[in-house]
Amino acid sequence: GAVVSQHPSWVICKSGTSVKIECRSLDFQATTMFWYRQFPKQSLMLMATSNEGSKATYEQGVEKDKFLINHASLTLSTLTVTSAHPEDSSFYICSARSGARAGTEAFFGQGTRLTVV
Amino acid sequence: QQQVKQSPQSLIVQKGGISIINCAYENTAFDYFPWYQQFPGKGPALLIAIRPDVSEKKEGRFTISFNKSAKQFSLHIMDSQPGDSATYFCGTVGSARQLTFGSGTQLTVLP
Repeated sequence: GAVVSQHPSWVICKSGTSVKIECRSLDFQATTMFWYRQFPKQSLMLMATSNEGSKATYEQGVEKDKFLINHASLTLSTLTVTSAHPEDSSFYICSARSGARAGTEAFFGQGTRLTVV
Repeated sequence: QQQVKQSPQSLIVQKGGISIINCAYENTAFDYFPWYQQFPGKGPALLIAIRPDVSEKKEGRFTISFNKSAKQFSLHIMDSQPGDSATYFCGTVGSARQLTFGSGTQLTVLP
């Protein structure tokens, strides 16, 4: 299957600082990318959907000014957690899809473990 | 609101046994039903998926059974192995192409 690379795989930052997470589709062009957050022993919760060249669509309850998403190219999307706080500590996962046909698979990155101290 | 309900929350099976995980959905507009496998500290990986015009799909030891009238679908893992121990998520995809996950099932296969 297609490869989605997420970087970094883990990061520790101080409270109040910002952290950027990158999501790259390595061997296909991703028209749509999704960002998820997963707390321990819980399911993945969709945070936002981004289409290349347009503003991201955020799910209800997700602060768009805190979680900045940029999808500047067909192979790269970034999630920036601004002014991070300990409650933002979580596992962040991106996924990318190449088309909109029914059944088109979304490929997932390996996730980023964010710990805010 | 929960668009897809998954059960059981956890499952323990002996090696060689059959693991069965169930999901129920409400929105009849969903048109793609995938199952994902996730190991600790990793992103989920697609295991098998089905579209609503098919009642069953089998790939190796993994089978999806789909009941459109009951709005339910299930994952069957035949000859379960310790390496299958992971968390499994069902998913639903609708016209907006957004993937919504079930709550997850932690499967443990005993050697």
